[in-house]
Amino acid sequence: GDSVTQMEGPVTLSEEAFLTINCTYTATGYPSLFWYVQYPGEGLQLLLKATKADDKGSNKGFEATYRKETTSFHLEKGSVQVSDSAVYFCALRLNTGGFKTIFGAGTRLFVKA
Amino acid sequence: ETGVTQTPRHLVMGMTNKKSLKCEQHLGHNAMYWYKQSAKKPLELMFVYNFKEQTENNSVPSRFSPECPNSSHLFLHLHTLQPEDSALYLCASSQEGQRNQPQHFGDGTRLSIL
Repeated sequence: GDSVTQMEGPVTLSEEAFLTINCTYTATGYPSLFWYVQYPGEGLQLLLKATKADDKGSNKGFEATYRKETTSFHLEKGSVQVSDSAVYFCALRLNTGGFKTIFGAGTRLFVKA
Repeated sequence: ETGVTQTPRHLVMGMTNKKSLKCEQHLGHNAMYWYKQSAKKPLELMFVYNFKEQTENNSVPSRFSPECPNSSHLFLHLHTLQPEDSALYLCASSQEGQRNQPQHFGDGTRLSIL
Protein backbone atom coordinates (compact mmCIF):
# COMPACT_ATOMS: atom_id res chain seq x y z
CA GLY A 1 0.00 0.00 0.00
CA ASP A 2 0.90 3.66 -0.12
CA SER A 3 3.18 4.81 2.69
CA VAL A 4 5.75 7.34 3.86
CA THR A 5 8.83 6.47 5.90
CA GLN A 6 10.97 9.11 7.53
CA MET A 7 13.97 8.90 9.78
CA GLU A 8 13.31 8.47 13.46
CA GLY A 9 14.21 11.27 15.77
CA PRO A 10 14.98 13.11 17.74
CA VAL A 11 17.66 14.83 15.73
CA THR A 12 19.83 17.16 17.81
CA LEU A 13 22.06 19.71 16.10
CA SER A 14 24.04 22.76 17.05
CA GLU A 15 23.10 26.11 15.56
CA GLU A 16 24.44 26.63 12.00
CA ALA A 17 24.83 22.88 11.42
CA PHE A 18 23.64 21.21 8.21
CA LEU A 19 20.31 19.39 8.41
CA THR A 20 19.08 16.36 6.49
CA ILE A 21 15.88 14.52 7.34
CA ASN A 22 15.36 11.50 5.13
CA CYS A 23 11.99 10.62 3.64
CA THR A 24 11.10 7.79 1.26
CA TYR A 25 7.71 6.84 -0.06
CA THR A 26 5.74 4.06 -1.70
CA ALA A 27 2.86 5.07 -3.91
CA THR A 28 0.96 4.06 -6.98
CA GLY A 29 0.86 6.65 -9.70
CA TYR A 30 2.49 10.05 -9.35
CA PRO A 31 1.86 11.63 -5.97
CA SER A 32 2.54 15.17 -4.85
CA LEU A 33 5.03 15.41 -1.99
CA PHE A 34 5.02 17.76 0.98
CA TRP A 35 6.95 18.69 4.07
CA TYR A 36 4.95 20.08 6.99
CA VAL A 37 6.35 21.58 10.20
CA GLN A 38 4.74 21.62 13.63
CA TYR A 39 6.03 24.12 16.18
CA PRO A 40 5.27 23.56 19.87
CA GLY A 41 1.63 24.20 20.72
CA GLU A 42 0.57 24.61 17.11
CA GLY A 43 -0.90 22.60 14.26
CA LEU A 44 0.96 21.49 11.15
CA GLN A 45 1.96 24.11 8.60
CA LEU A 46 2.98 23.51 5.02
CA LEU A 47 6.72 24.09 4.68
CA LEU A 48 7.25 23.20 1.03
CA LYS A 49 5.96 20.96 -1.73
CA ALA A 50 6.89 19.39 -5.06
CA THR A 51 4.39 18.12 -7.54
CA LYS A 52 6.40 16.16 -10.11
CA ALA A 53 9.68 14.36 -10.57
CA ASP A 54 12.83 16.52 -10.29
CA ASP A 55 10.85 19.47 -8.85
CA LYS A 56 12.59 21.22 -5.97
CA GLY A 57 10.46 22.74 -3.25
CA SER A 58 12.00 25.46 -1.10
CA ASN A 59 10.99 27.81 1.71
CA LYS A 60 12.73 29.56 4.63
CA GLY A 61 16.08 28.07 3.63
CA PHE A 62 14.72 24.50 3.51
CA GLU A 63 14.83 22.48 0.30
CA ALA A 64 13.68 19.08 -0.89
CA THR A 65 13.87 17.49 -4.35
CA TYR A 66 11.34 14.99 -5.70
CA ARG A 67 13.45 11.98 -6.72
CA LYS A 68 11.28 9.47 -8.54
CA GLU A 69 14.13 7.05 -9.22
CA THR A 70 14.87 6.66 -5.51
CA THR A 71 11.30 7.45 -4.33
CA SER A 72 12.72 10.01 -1.93
CA PHE A 73 12.05 13.58 -0.80
CA HIS A 74 14.78 14.39 1.72
CA LEU A 75 14.58 17.69 3.59
CA GLU A 76 17.75 19.79 3.83
CA LYS A 77 18.84 23.09 5.28
CA GLY A 78 22.34 24.47 5.13
CA SER A 79 22.41 26.26 8.48
CA VAL A 80 19.78 25.59 11.14
CA GLN A 81 18.68 28.04 13.80
CA VAL A 82 17.26 27.49 17.27
CA SER A 83 13.91 28.65 15.93
CA ASP A 84 13.85 25.64 13.56
CA SER A 85 13.29 23.33 16.53
CA ALA A 86 10.03 21.58 15.70
CA VAL A 87 8.57 18.32 14.41
CA TYR A 88 8.83 17.77 10.65
CA PHE A 89 6.38 15.58 8.73
CA CYS A 90 6.87 14.22 5.24
CA ALA A 91 3.63 13.54 3.37
CA LEU A 92 2.36 12.43 0.02
CA ARG A 93 -0.91 13.15 -1.66
CA LEU A 94 -2.29 10.72 -4.15
CA ASN A 95 -3.63 12.49 -7.20
CA THR A 96 -6.16 9.79 -7.98
CA GLY A 97 -8.82 7.88 -6.12
CA GLY A 98 -9.87 10.38 -3.49
CA PHE A 99 -6.74 12.51 -3.21
CA LYS A 100 -5.80 10.99 0.12
CA THR A 101 -2.88 12.47 2.09
CA ILE A 102 -0.55 10.07 3.89
CA PHE A 103 1.78 11.39 6.59
CA GLY A 104 5.06 10.04 7.90
CA ALA A 105 5.52 9.54 11.63
CA GLY A 106 7.32 12.87 12.11
CA THR A 107 10.90 13.70 13.06
CA ARG A 108 11.60 15.92 16.04
CA LEU A 109 14.47 18.39 15.60
CA PHE A 110 16.22 20.08 18.50
CA VAL A 111 18.67 22.87 17.69
CA LYS A 112 21.03 23.98 20.47
CA ALA A 113 22.47 27.48 20.72
CA GLU B 1 -2.23 31.48 9.94
CA THR B 2 -5.86 31.88 11.06
CA GLY B 3 -7.50 30.11 8.12
CA VAL B 4 -8.58 27.17 10.31
CA THR B 5 -9.78 27.94 13.84
CA GLN B 6 -10.34 25.33 16.53
CA THR B 7 -12.08 25.80 19.87
CA PRO B 8 -11.50 25.21 22.66
CA ARG B 9 -7.69 25.05 22.69
CA HIS B 10 -7.68 22.97 25.86
CA LEU B 11 -10.34 20.71 27.32
CA VAL B 12 -10.36 18.62 30.47
CA MET B 13 -13.28 16.29 30.96
CA GLY B 14 -14.34 13.30 32.96
CA MET B 15 -15.17 9.99 31.38
CA THR B 16 -18.92 10.49 31.73
CA ASN B 17 -19.06 14.03 30.34
CA LYS B 18 -20.34 15.09 26.93
CA LYS B 19 -18.48 17.83 25.11
CA SER B 20 -17.91 19.02 21.56
CA LEU B 21 -14.90 20.26 19.64
CA LYS B 22 -15.45 22.90 17.00
CA CYS B 23 -13.56 23.69 13.83
CA GLU B 24 -14.19 26.52 11.38
CA GLN B 25 -12.34 27.21 8.14
CA HIS B 26 -12.29 30.56 6.34
CA LEU B 27 -10.50 29.35 3.21
CA GLY B 28 -13.44 28.38 1.03
CA HIS B 29 -12.36 24.74 1.04
CA ASN B 30 -14.73 21.87 0.35
CA ALA B 31 -13.15 19.12 2.44
CA MET B 32 -12.52 18.90 6.18
CA TYR B 33 -10.74 16.35 8.35
CA TRP B 34 -10.31 15.28 11.95
CA TYR B 35 -6.96 13.85 13.05
CA LYS B 36 -5.80 12.47 16.40
CA GLN B 37 -2.21 13.14 17.43
CA SER B 38 -0.91 11.14 20.40
CA ALA B 39 2.56 11.22 21.89
CA LYS B 40 4.98 8.91 20.08
CA LYS B 41 2.37 7.72 17.57
CA PRO B 42 1.82 8.71 13.95
CA LEU B 43 -0.89 11.15 13.02
CA GLU B 44 -4.19 9.22 12.81
CA LEU B 45 -6.85 10.24 10.32
CA MET B 46 -10.27 9.86 11.97
CA PHE B 47 -12.89 11.32 9.63
CA VAL B 48 -13.09 12.99 6.24
CA TYR B 49 -15.92 15.16 4.96
CA ASN B 50 -16.13 16.14 1.32
CA PHE B 51 -18.86 18.62 0.36
CA LYS B 52 -20.45 17.95 3.78
CA GLU B 53 -20.67 14.21 3.15
CA GLN B 54 -18.63 11.85 5.25
CA THR B 55 -16.34 9.96 2.91
CA GLU B 56 -14.07 8.24 5.40
CA ASN B 57 -14.35 6.82 8.89
CA ASN B 58 -11.19 5.03 9.91
CA SER B 59 -12.68 2.55 12.39
CA VAL B 60 -13.17 5.26 14.98
CA PRO B 61 -15.08 4.21 18.14
CA SER B 62 -18.67 5.40 18.32
CA ARG B 63 -17.88 7.55 21.36
CA PHE B 64 -16.55 10.01 18.75
CA SER B 65 -19.34 11.42 16.60
CA PRO B 66 -18.55 13.94 13.84
CA GLU B 67 -20.95 16.49 12.41
CA CYS B 68 -20.47 18.70 9.36
CA PRO B 69 -23.45 21.07 8.96
CA ASN B 70 -21.81 22.98 6.10
CA SER B 71 -18.50 23.10 4.29
CA SER B 72 -17.08 25.70 6.71
CA HIS B 73 -17.84 24.01 10.04
CA LEU B 74 -16.91 20.68 11.53
CA PHE B 75 -17.68 19.35 14.99
CA LEU B 76 -16.49 16.36 16.96
CA HIS B 77 -18.95 15.30 19.65
CA LEU B 78 -17.41 13.40 22.55
CA HIS B 79 -19.21 11.05 24.92
CA THR B 80 -18.00 8.53 27.50
CA LEU B 81 -14.37 8.85 26.55
CA GLN B 82 -11.52 6.74 27.89
CA PRO B 83 -8.15 7.86 29.29
CA GLU B 84 -6.42 6.66 26.12
CA ASP B 85 -8.43 9.25 24.19
CA SER B 86 -6.30 12.01 25.73
CA ALA B 87 -4.50 13.57 22.77
CA LEU B 88 -4.25 16.59 20.51
CA TYR B 89 -7.16 16.68 18.06
CA LEU B 90 -6.37 18.49 14.84
CA CYS B 91 -8.79 19.76 12.25
CA ALA B 92 -7.70 20.37 8.67
CA SER B 93 -9.25 21.54 5.42
CA SER B 94 -8.33 21.37 1.77
CA GLN B 95 -9.72 22.03 -1.68
CA GLU B 96 -10.49 18.72 -3.26
CA GLY B 97 -10.71 18.34 -7.01
CA GLN B 98 -7.60 20.47 -7.52
CA ARG B 99 -4.32 18.70 -7.96
CA ASN B 100 -1.45 19.18 -5.58
CA GLN B 101 -3.33 21.06 -2.89
CA PRO B 102 -2.00 20.80 0.67
CA GLN B 103 -4.06 20.53 3.81
CA HIS B 104 -4.38 23.52 6.14
CA PHE B 105 -4.43 22.76 9.85
CA GLY B 106 -5.82 24.42 12.93
CA ASP B 107 -3.78 24.63 16.13
CA GLY B 108 -5.67 21.76 17.70
CA THR B 109 -7.60 21.05 20.88
CA ARG B 110 -5.55 19.45 23.66
CA LEU B 111 -7.94 16.98 25.30
CA SER B 112 -7.29 15.43 28.70
CA ILE B 113 -9.58 12.72 30.07
CA LEU B 114 -9.59 12.33 33.85
